[in-house]
Amino acid sequence: ELKVEQNPLFLSMQEGKNYTIYCNYSTTSDRLYWYRQDPGKSLESLFVLLSNGAVKQEGRLMASLDTKARLSTLHITAAVHDLSATYFCAVDNSNSGYALNFGKGTSLLVTP
Amino acid sequence: EAGVAQSPRYKIIEKRQSVAFWCNPISGHATLYWYQQILGQGPKLLIQFQNNGVVDDSQLPKDRFSAERLKGVDSTLKIQPAKLEDSAVYLCASSLDLTSPLHFGNGTRLTVT
Repeated sequence: ELKVEQNPLFLSMQEGKNYTIYCNYSTTSDRLYWYRQDPGKSLESLFVLLSNGAVKQEGRLMASLDTKARLSTLHITAAVHDLSATYFCAVDNSNSGYALNFGKGTSLLVTP
Repeated sequence: EAGVAQSPRYKIIEKRQSVAFWCNPISGHATLYWYQQILGQGPKLLIQFQNNGVVDDSQLPKDRFSAERLKGVDSTLKIQPAKLEDSAVYLCASSLDLTSPLHFGNGTRLTVT
């Protein structure tokens, strides 16, 4: 069974600070996704990482993938209040029919 | 491009009652998924369809949950009878094919009292 673990599960940080969210997964994965979810809303795709060493950046968010360590990171640079949300990583592989297996999510609160 | 449509948006029922959710995927998307998201947790896959065939339903509680995708387009998910622990958001997602990114609907929030 493909398992996905995120940490931390809760994160409170001040505006302007940097922080990293970690995502570990248990078996070989074909793709790793990062999603954002605002309260009461659906999931918004942020990044898709396909290969070892892949790095993608959008605004203050940067995601990277190390397939050998089975680890992805989501780095937040100079946080702003608008980034407050829950962030999920999810992985898939051919053994699961390519369906996504999600972590429990990291609830991020950015305070002034 | 129209997104994944789900209805109803909210539903409140008593335990032991039945309920059904409807999903209309993005046009042309062959793969359709139902996920259950309990408050404070990540979404959990219930069932995955490829056209009108089931790819994975290993986590679907088949004694009370059923799903169908007639004609390979719209899908319905039914719960009968509902339990308190079924209270969750039920998310439908679709993708062009098995390896393409998923697009999620807004979900149906179910409360079982």
